[in-house]
Amino acid sequence: GAVVSQHPSWVICKSGTSVKIECRSLDFQATTMFWYRQFPKQSLMLMATSNEGSKATYEQGVEKDKFLINHASLTLSTLTVTSAHPEDSSFYICSARARTGGPGELFFGEGSRLTVL
Amino acid sequence: AQSVTQLDSQVPVFEEAPVELRCNYSSSVSVYLFWYVQYPNQGLQLLLKYLSGSTLVKGINGFEAEFNKSQTSFHLRKPSVHISDTAEYFCAVSDHQAGTALIFGKGTTLSVSS
Repeated sequence: GAVVSQHPSWVICKSGTSVKIECRSLDFQATTMFWYRQFPKQSLMLMATSNEGSKATYEQGVEKDKFLINHASLTLSTLTVTSAHPEDSSFYICSARARTGGPGELFFGEGSRLTVL
Repeated sequence: AQSVTQLDSQVPVFEEAPVELRCNYSSSVSVYLFWYVQYPNQGLQLLLKYLSGSTLVKGINGFEAEFNKSQTSFHLRKPSVHISDTAEYFCAVSDHQAGTALIFGKGTTLSVSS
């Protein structure tokens, strides 16, 4: 089946630094990618939707300047957490919809766990 | 807008017992429905999905779910669980528009013990 890869899987950084998380569709072209955030023992909260070549659409309450999303190609989207603080520590998961995907067909990455010290 | 309610946050069961994880949704339009499983520190794995047609959907690992439009439910069932089924289970919904994200319920922790 289709594969979505996230990198890094785990990242620890100091408060105030920026962290970039990559989401790649390995064997298909992803016209749309979604970024979710998951706190421990909680559900996935949609952060933003990104379409290749256009600006991301952010959900209400998500800071655009803090969570920078770039979808520069049909196989790569990046999430940059700028000036990270401990409250940004979370599990970030991306999902991708293929150009030729059927209804409701989304593929999820393995997730990236961010810990901000 | 859609929303999903998973009625049980935790479901403890013994091995080989049957289990049902409940999910109700709310939407003003037709929806697609999904169940995902998440093992610790991992991403999501699709168990099954309802798009159209037969209301009884069979998925992987022996799970099945039934779409009930009148009750707006999509409960997940397995007749006999294994220790390895211990995980977090998420019900999700999306509308029929292309490019729409999935909206997830809060999850149900299934704990299977011997």
